[in-house]
Amino acid sequence: DIVMTQSPSSLAVSAGETVTINCKSSQSLFWSGSQMNYLAWYQQKPGQSPKLLIYYASTRQSGVPDRFIGSGSGTDFTLTISGVQAEDLAVYYCQHHYDSLPYTFGAGTKLELK
Amino acid sequence: QVQLKESGPGLVQPSQTLSLTCTVSGFSLTSYNVHWVRQFTGKGLEWMGVIWTGGSTDYNSALKSRLSISRDTSKSQVFLKMNSLQTEDIATYYCVRDQYYYSGDFDYWGQGVMVTVSS
Repeated sequence: DIVMTQSPSSLAVSAGETVTINCKSSQSLFWSGSQMNYLAWYQQKPGQSPKLLIYYASTRQSGVPDRFIGSGSGTDFTLTISGVQAEDLAVYYCQHHYDSLPYTFGAGTKLELK
Repeated sequence: QVQLKESGPGLVQPSQTLSLTCTVSGFSLTSYNVHWVRQFTGKGLEWMGVIWTGGSTDYNSALKSRLSISRDTSKSQVFLKMNSLQTEDIATYYCVRDQYYYSGDFDYWGQGVMVTVSS
């Protein structure tokens, strides 16, 4: 199984700050056939189901604000939130969607207010 | 609009079988794959298995011996059955949809159903 390792596990921020969440996979998520990295990011607010933010490592889902930026390739990926807003306080998960079952998730990063 | 909704008992006795139904609307089960994902109390997420558009299934090897996923396309329903439930299976169970054909990223999630295992 591909192991997804997220860091940090929690992060305390002030509104307006820029934050970075890291995700590392135990094997490359890049497929040369498509030139894509098969890495997704989800946001989960309390009491809600996870919401897809980013797929193919850097493609924002429709309706997701452009302050959410996904980057990285191979085994190392980053979610950057530029100018955190109060509504962004949530738990963020990475997930590989490479053609290698089972799909696996990182343990999550909880974004809290400082 | 696209919706997925899980239903089933919230309480299962130890060693018994969990049966859940996912009723979908706004899309066809013959056009989109549907997966089951569960979330433990500590918030970790686990992919359980999938029923592909053609009706075949794949399961997480950790659950394969206990898990079965099936569907009724005429009713737009996907079913999960997992036997020999134990306290380690306490979780919220979600059905989710692949965004694109075999993309593996999940654009729509059900509201989830919380399952407790207790006598």
